[in-house]
Amino acid sequence: DTGVSQNPRHKITKRGQNVTFRCDPISEHNRLYWYRQTLGQGPEFLTYFQNEAQLEKSRLLSDRFSAERPKGSFSTLEIQRTEQGDSAMYLCASSRTVTEAFFGQGTRLTVV
Amino acid sequence: TQLLEQSPQFLSIQEGENLTVYCNSSSVFSSLQWYRQEPGEGPVLLVTVVTGGEVKKLKRLTFQFGDARKDSSLHITAAQPGDTGLYLCAGARDYKLSFGAGTTVTVRA
Repeated sequence: DTGVSQNPRHKITKRGQNVTFRCDPISEHNRLYWYRQTLGQGPEFLTYFQNEAQLEKSRLLSDRFSAERPKGSFSTLEIQRTEQGDSAMYLCASSRTVTEAFFGQGTRLTVV
Repeated sequence: TQLLEQSPQFLSIQEGENLTVYCNSSSVFSSLQWYRQEPGEGPVLLVTVVTGGEVKKLKRLTFQFGDARKDSSLHITAAQPGDTGLYLCAGARDYKLSFGAGTTVTVRA
């Protein structure tokens, strides 16, 4: 059990550029979540996968955001045409049940 | 609007003192989790409580789930500087977690 791994840890991008983040969940965890956290706030739910199926997307996720989980393994979160308001910590979590979700170290995005 | 309200928002105490953090909601949850998060890192799961009225102890940390499964508390006895961090509660409904805004705890040596 190597834990949830997220890459990159930090990303600085210019406004209008596209960025992609990767999450490798704990092996055999069929549930995968993406959350976003801004300073002074708790994590906010973005989207949820059970295996390869994306079962829910938050209204926070505009059409510039897309997430995939091919073959039910790793997941990617892409943000197109980034805006300054997208600056945040993007967290990935995986679990076998909803009662124990394990988080990665997050990707800190800064849009300049 | 946060589904879970945490109080206080900030807490600064001297090493050796006790502290309690509260997590309240008008919603019922199937379980509630407590996490600790350090700056620049992801949240680390401390405990999950499932049954109304449940009390769990983890060394100097005591977690309680309300009888109606709407609220919870975290009590730390004889706090140490290593307890410093952001404490987050998260309620589980269906398949996802909803988080409170967190309580920032600072323990001064």
